[in-house]
Amino acid sequence: GENVGLHLPTLSVQEGDNSIINCAYSNSASDYFIWYKQESGKGPQFIIDIRSNMDKRQGQRVTVLLNKTVKHLSLQIAATQPGDSAVYFCASIAGGTSYGKLTFGQGTILTVHP
Amino acid sequence: DTEVTQTPKHLVMGMTNKKSLKCEQHMGHRAMYWYKQKAKKPPELMFVYSYEKLSINESVPSRFSPECPNSSLLNLHLHALQPEDSALYLCASSQDGFPPNSPLHFGNGTRLTVT
Repeated sequence: GENVGLHLPTLSVQEGDNSIINCAYSNSASDYFIWYKQESGKGPQFIIDIRSNMDKRQGQRVTVLLNKTVKHLSLQIAATQPGDSAVYFCASIAGGTSYGKLTFGQGTILTVHP
Repeated sequence: DTEVTQTPKHLVMGMTNKKSLKCEQHMGHRAMYWYKQKAKKPPELMFVYSYEKLSINESVPSRFSPECPNSSLLNLHLHALQPEDSALYLCASSQDGFPPNSPLHFGNGTRLTVT
């Protein structure tokens, strides 16, 4: 089945630093990837997405990189702010027997120190 | 504020109670989802409705009963739950039917405690 996981469960950075959150996936049939931010007491909030025909996509202060060769996804946050502190999940729309299901990775806790 | 509204925000129920969770969206989305999230874990899919029809049931126990009265509403009826069912229940919607071709939009969830 689909397995979307993260290399680092926690990340602690100083305000103003750049943050990189990594994610590995196992289903080579996955073709749509989404990053979500979840703050305490709230639901997952959409940050940015990328489809498998792209290797990079940029938003406001965020960039997602996709390396299909090694099945790796990363989220880069520029000039990290205390308000960026949250749990970050990568998720993918699965292929194969889990076709169409949005499956989440384990999550990374990002803590930004002022 | 999220565009997917869930009520109630918190719910405490006994194992013999019957309660319902409600979800509403007015974005014209045609697919709606229930996810369950335990503490410090990722959300896990429970049910998917597409164009008001049940498309996916992830082998969820029958004590959870979903209902989609119309394209804007999604309910989750609860009966004879167990303490291990205590969790955050998240509703989501996506623009097109299932499978989604755009991001899922999540509500802030109902925090359920079963005593």
